[in-house]
Amino acid sequence: GENVEQHPSTLSVQEGDSAVIKCTYSDSASNYFPWYKQELGKRPQLIIDIRSNVGEKKDQRIAVTLNKTAKHFSLHITETQPEDSAVYFCAASSYSGGGADGLTFGKGTHLIIQP
Amino acid sequence: DGGITQSPKYLFRKEGQNVTLSCEQNLNHDAMYWYRQDPGQGLRLIYYSQIVNDFQKGDIAEGYSVSREKKESFPLTVTSAQKNPTAFYLCASTDSLNTGELFFGEGSRLTVL
Repeated sequence: GENVEQHPSTLSVQEGDSAVIKCTYSDSASNYFPWYKQELGKRPQLIIDIRSNVGEKKDQRIAVTLNKTAKHFSLHITETQPEDSAVYFCAASSYSGGGADGLTFGKGTHLIIQP
Repeated sequence: DGGITQSPKYLFRKEGQNVTLSCEQNLNHDAMYWYRQDPGQGLRLIYYSQIVNDFQKGDIAEGYSVSREKKESFPLTVTSAQKNPTAFYLCASTDSLNTGELFFGEGSRLTVL
């Protein structure tokens, strides 16, 4: 089955700096890579996702890059703000039009924004 | 107000007791999921259901049971056979014909005393 490794487990950055979280996956058939954000005491929410036919996707201050050859993908957050403090989960699946039963999550990164 | 509702938010149980966690959604989603979240372990899939009256085991189904009698409801029972039941449980649903985005409930924290 799929195995997703996520690093680092904790990341502390100064407010205004950039943050990068990296994930690797093992199944070359995986083609859907979402990122979820979980603020303290709240539910996880999808913040961005990318599919294997795209190398990079941006949404305001966040971006995700995908390298299918190396089987890794990364989340980039620029100009970090206090509200970016949360746990971030990456995931991978062989998405084929629906369903999350094939979705495998990384163990999460606790991002801390220092004032 | 559309979404997923989990109850109870906090639950305590004694060893040897079964407990049922409720999950209801009014998003008209076909697929529903139960995840277990432990510190530093990410989200691990317990059971999922893609249609009423059908469900499948996930990666860590041992000691758990589910039912899907209605589209809106997917309760999870943590049985006494679950060796380490203390955890945070998240229910989710997705419109399997759309993007595959998971919509999560607020979770239920189970503590076994």
